[in-house]
Amino acid sequence: AQSVSQHNHHVILSEAASLELGCNYSYGGTVNLFWYVQYPGQHLQLLLKYFSGDPLVKGIKGFEAEFIKSKFSFNLRKPSVQWSDTAEYFCAVNAANNDMRFGAGTRLTVKP
Amino acid sequence: DVKVTQSSRYLVKRTGEKVFLECVQDMDHENMFWYRQDPGLGLRLIYFSYDVKMKEKGDIPEGYSVSREKKERFSLILESASTNQTSMYLCASSPGLARFEQFFGPGTRLTVL
Repeated sequence: AQSVSQHNHHVILSEAASLELGCNYSYGGTVNLFWYVQYPGQHLQLLLKYFSGDPLVKGIKGFEAEFIKSKFSFNLRKPSVQWSDTAEYFCAVNAANNDMRFGAGTRLTVKP
Repeated sequence: DVKVTQSSRYLVKRTGEKVFLECVQDMDHENMFWYRQDPGLGLRLIYFSYDVKMKEKGDIPEGYSVSREKKERFSLILESASTNQTSMYLCASSPGLARFEQFFGPGTRLTVL
């Protein structure tokens, strides 16, 4: 079964800093990739997703992610974070066998 | 907008009690899921259902059962609650598998004393 690794457990940034959250997965076949965000006290919601085509995908709130097949990675980026981006971020991978796997999550704290 | 609702936001139960967690979605989705979310472990799939009366075990089904009698409703049952089942429980639904995103409910924080 596939697994998903998120490299950073907790990231602390100042406002306007650039963000990159790592996500690697272990599955050799076709995958569908997702980033979800959970703001404090709110439910999980989709940030962006990749199925096929352009490996650079753009999501809501200025987030983007790049799929690098050779590295089994799907890293999330944002050029300039805001205090309101403080949240927990989850990478998820759904392989052709329909088995959705989530990473352990990365908690992002943005200091004003 | 897809809406997934869960019966309780917070629940406190005693060891050995039978616990029912209810989830309802209003978008006629085929698939529904139950996860538990624990710090440092992310989301772990307990059970999912791809059709009424159909269910599949996820990664951690032990100590849990599910019921899906109607398309919009998916229940998680803890037959005899134990303290290690204290967790946040998330319900999700999706219109299909693989390529489709899942829509999540607000979660139920269950404490078993």
